[in-house]
Amino acid sequence: QSALTQPASVSGSPGQSITISCTGTSSDIGSYELVSWYQQHPGNAPKLIISEVSDRPSGVSNRFSGSKSGNTASLTISGLQAEDEADYHCCSYTGTATYVVFGGGTKLTVL
Amino acid sequence: QVQLQQSGPGLVKPSQTLALTCDISGDSVSSNSAAWNWIRQSPSRGLEWLGRAYYRSKWYIDYAVSVKSRININPDTSKNQFSLQLNSVTPEDTAVYYCARVFGYHWKFDYWGQGIPVTVSS
Repeated sequence: QSALTQPASVSGSPGQSITISCTGTSSDIGSYELVSWYQQHPGNAPKLIISEVSDRPSGVSNRFSGSKSGNTASLTISGLQAEDEADYHCCSYTGTATYVVFGGGTKLTVL
Repeated sequence: QVQLQQSGPGLVKPSQTLALTCDISGDSVSSNSAAWNWIRQSPSRGLEWLGRAYYRSKWYIDYAVSVKSRININPDTSKNQFSLQLNSVTPEDTAVYYCARVFGYHWKFDYWGQGIPVTVSS
């Protein structure tokens, strides 16, 4: 069982927007602005798409955005495209001996 | 452009040692700004951080509590690589193992190796 809770799956049609939630605790997401999101296509390594809650690395589409409220972080993908179909993982620093925790991953299906 | 190239066996027998290596290009294992991590992924546990090595005037190595008693991460400056050893493996250690870089202090894994699937089976 993963430390951060994500929905197992979400879906949306091309052009629509979807939001993936990631729920932690006051010891991780609630205490630090160190939430990151990763996109993973089948057979590939995860790719960083959001860091420090809402920062987009160079080269990542501005259709991806991140936010946080309390113990829950969110990833929003706007203008869904077929290529967005992938697994998405959240991650947070914990400030404890655990150091960093991940969510269980959310499978995005573009209908 | 940073590249991480992993190598190692894909099959390990129970009770033996899993050993993987991550070759670094485009950066240095002894960089004062980076940390070098091992992460694994399995269907049952998802992504799991295992540990890291980093250099800040001296070497620091941190391990996840879940594997602390049987893991070693070793940086090799002569080969610009770092390695993972996981001792006394069981079938629960079956997973895809990744090496990854964190740059700076913000715990974002910005570069990843290609991943090596490792099966623990007799």
